[in-house]
Amino acid sequence: QSALTQPASVSGSPGQSITISCTGTSSDVGGYNYVSWYQQHPGKAPKLMIYEVSNRPSGVSNRFSGSKSGNTASLTISGLQAEDEADYYCSSYTSSSTLRVFGGGTKLTVL
Amino acid sequence: QVQLVQSGAEVKKPGSSVKVSCKASGGTFSSYTISWVRQAPGQGLEWMGRIIPILGIANYAQKFQGRVTITADKSTSTAYMELSSLRSEDTAVYYCARVVLMGFDPWGQGTLVTVSS
Repeated sequence: QSALTQPASVSGSPGQSITISCTGTSSDVGGYNYVSWYQQHPGKAPKLMIYEVSNRPSGVSNRFSGSKSGNTASLTISGLQAEDEADYYCSSYTSSSTLRVFGGGTKLTVL
Repeated sequence: QVQLVQSGAEVKKPGSSVKVSCKASGGTFSSYTISWVRQAPGQGLEWMGRIIPILGIANYAQKFQGRVTITADKSTSTAYMELSSLRSEDTAVYYCARVVLMGFDPWGQGTLVTVSS
C-alpha cells in the first residue's frame, strides 16, 4: 500500500480538464510544500511535471498546474491532448526516516 | 544539461546481490543529490534511498535498511546502488534520479533487475 493515495484512474475527452488528487498526512503532503508530480508513458522513465506543489520546470506545458489544500495535493491538466495519456505519480517529502514517499499512481485515459 | 546513464539489465539468483551504476554527465556531480527509485512490473514507484556525494552521506528507506547500500564516486561522476539478499519480489526496474528543487529530474533510463532461480 502506497503512502500517498491517488485514484487508480481518471479519464477525459480532448479539450477537457481533469484533476488528479494525492492525499497524505500532516507528516508529508500537509506539512511541507515539497509535493512533486511525474508523468510516465509506458516503458519510459518518469518525467518531472510539477515541483514544490505548483511550479513547472522549463519546457513543461502551462496546461499542467498543481495546488495543495491541507493534506491533499492536486494536479490539473487543462485542454487535454492525446499525448497526455499516461500514468501520473505524486511524491512528497516526509518527516519519517523514509524521506520520500510516492502515490500509487493514476492512469489517465484520453477518450 | 544533466544526463544520467545507467548500467544494463541484470539477471540474478535469489540470495545474491546486484550493483547498478548511474553515470552523470553535465552539471557538477558532487553538488547534487542522487536518489534511487524502483518500480516492480505493473506497479508504482518506490523510493529506496539517496546519496549526497559532496558529503558522502546516504539515507535509506526503512523498508530497505540493511539490504541496500548507495555510494558515489566523485572522480567518475557515478553513483551506485547495491541490493543484497535478493528475492523474487525485488524484480523491478531500478531508476536513479537527480534531486533538484525537491523534485526528481532528470531520471536515468532505468535498469531491469530480474531475480529468478
